[in-house]
Amino acid sequence: QVHLVESGGGVVQPGRSLRLSCAASGFTFSTYNMHWVRQALGKGLEWVAVIRFDGSNEYYADSVKGRFTVSRDNSKNTLYLQMNSLRAEDTAVYYCARDKEGSSGWVGDYWGQGTLVTVSS
Amino acid sequence: QSALTQPASVSGSPGQSITISCTGTSSDVGAFNYVSWYQQHPDKAPKLMIYEVSNRPSGVPDRFSGSKSGNTASLTISGLRAEDEADYYCSSYTSSTTLVFGGGTKLTVL
Repeated sequence: QVHLVESGGGVVQPGRSLRLSCAASGFTFSTYNMHWVRQALGKGLEWVAVIRFDGSNEYYADSVKGRFTVSRDNSKNTLYLQMNSLRAEDTAVYYCARDKEGSSGWVGDYWGQGTLVTVSS
Repeated sequence: QSALTQPASVSGSPGQSITISCTGTSSDVGAFNYVSWYQQHPDKAPKLMIYEVSNRPSGVPDRFSGSKSGNTASLTISGLRAEDEADYYCSSYTSSTTLVFGGGTKLTVL
């Protein structure tokens, strides 16, 4: 079955960097687009970024553009999110999600359990 | 990229039907048939319930249905059950090749 496991979260000071990972299993990772979505505690979902199955294109929310970079290593079945210049407002649970095969409209059909990032001095 | 507009809360009794609205713009909901709905129970990951306006993934009960008119999409849950109590989020593909979520609606089953 599809399994997505995020890691790399923790407490980081404002202005510093952090890299999240998402280990995928149970499906052919290299054929699926992948998303990052975050959720501040007690708040709603906020889409962060998506990367195409072959890494050819990435798209970002305005709130993270220029600071965050999504990447993938299809040989390791792993998705990454490099987060630079972190701000307090980036504090959230970060989920990775698989994009539904056959849909052109960015649909997250399987989600990990999330990893918590806390930006605080 | 303004969030889509959803009511903060809705409620209904077991067996009843409820509808949650999701209002966007001509650059997202109104422009594409790429509206999805997610269910999220406390401290759990979101679960896809509806995609492409009205399609249900395998395993989602047919009590859940979706529709769209203009810039507003809707999720209807019929035959409400206690386990339907959760937060519901809509999302839409946008003309900027991004994704935008609604603010979320808390469903209470009375």
